[in-house]
Amino acid sequence: NAGVTQTPKFQVLKTGQSMTLQCAQDMNHEYMSWYRQDPGMGLRLIHYSVGAGITDQGEVPNGYNVSRSTTEDFPLRLLSAAPSQTSVYFCASSYRTGTGGRGYTFGSGTRLTVV
Amino acid sequence: QQQVKQSPQSLIVQKGGISIINCAYENTAFDYFPWYQQFPGKGPALLIAIRPDVSEKKEGRFTISFNKSAKQFSLHIMDSQPGDSATYFCAAANAGNNRKLIWGLGTSLAVNP
Repeated sequence: NAGVTQTPKFQVLKTGQSMTLQCAQDMNHEYMSWYRQDPGMGLRLIHYSVGAGITDQGEVPNGYNVSRSTTEDFPLRLLSAAPSQTSVYFCASSYRTGTGGRGYTFGSGTRLTVV
Repeated sequence: QQQVKQSPQSLIVQKGGISIINCAYENTAFDYFPWYQQFPGKGPALLIAIRPDVSEKKEGRFTISFNKSAKQFSLHIMDSQPGDSATYFCAAANAGNNRKLIWGLGTSLAVNP
């Protein structure tokens, strides 16, 4: 059981380049999301999906696209990379906990630097 | 506007001491309050969570205390160990918001040997 797998782990992009961060989960979770983590700013939600074919914006969606064609995969696309997108990106899938809420399983992150 | 305010930003505790991290929230519709633990180079991992119908939940050395009237909740780490050194995040969610988590900004805990 691999959980949430993110690739690549590290990436350096030039300003204006595009790329796709991959995220896959094998737990059959319906809910998946992408966060970025910056020093002093905690975790900020970029996009999320409540199931295959359904996506929605989080609090910082500009410059990013997502799609959800299958339950397992939730890729994040950077359309035209900017230095402000230098960050650590986390993908997460969530499950219902015994306390009635949702527990999140996070990937190990992608550290992206845009120069 | 930070809906979940977490303090302190950083904390240093001696081995064997008690670590206390506090969070306050505004939205009374929140009905689920988890704490996450994050080690360097890793993603956050669910540590413990509580619902507002109980005032305390304990799992091993970790305890959540919840004060509904004050809209505050806190994480207590008893007998803190160097292996507890990590960043801790509180969060809150409600069923009406598709259970999206609203996160605190995190507390960096260092436990000195």
